[in-house]
Amino acid sequence: GAGVSQSPSNKVTEKGKDVELRCDPISGHTALYWYRQRLGQGLEFLIYFQGNSAPDKSGLPSDRFSAERTGESVSTLTIQRTQQEDSAVYLCASSLLGGQLFYEQYFGPGTRLTVT
Amino acid sequence: AQTVTQSQPEMSVQEAETVTLSCTYDTSENNYYLFWYKQPPSRQMILVIRQEAYKQQNATENRFSVNFQKAAKSFSLKISDSQLGDTAMYFCAFGSNTGNQFYFGTGTSLTVIP
Repeated sequence: GAGVSQSPSNKVTEKGKDVELRCDPISGHTALYWYRQRLGQGLEFLIYFQGNSAPDKSGLPSDRFSAERTGESVSTLTIQRTQQEDSAVYLCASSLLGGQLFYEQYFGPGTRLTVT
Repeated sequence: AQTVTQSQPEMSVQEAETVTLSCTYDTSENNYYLFWYKQPPSRQMILVIRQEAYKQQNATENRFSVNFQKAAKSFSLKISDSQLGDTAMYFCAFGSNTGNQFYFGTGTSLTVIP
């Protein structure tokens, strides 16, 4: 079946503008994760959804960042008033909870965000 | 908070040889999960191998195996018979038992030399 998809693949925006990043998880996956990967660095955990709920939002870098998920499917990560330090690749992953496959995350190709 | 440390930013290995990538972590939890992910230049993260902390036996997936030392909080990845397609960034990751926290190391860039 289809894997995790993310759109857009690349986004260039001006400082101060808002951006919306989209993630379509694998159908039936109840868990969804957002990560940020700055150039040459590891993955920084941002937020996790179980169904449509995010139990812990403390990983979001600032109040300019928000995320939502609807229908236990698509998720959007919104960054308001973008800053240059927001430039990074934003990765989304989903997983099927329960059983032997618990915690195997399937990653999307990421969205490369560049703030000029 | 949990931390994951990969002390080797870059490594190289001759094709067909064996290489070991190091990873240490810090946690107060007793039950957790450890993973190695591969990220080739295409940027797509791919799960290489996983280990449940409650299992003493080291996980193995074909040419990939781990050396899991729970007391030492060490989780190294051994790649045998290295192939050109193994060239990628490798990330070690820790998953809490609650499922809502994941921590990645900073990665090791592996180059397989023909």
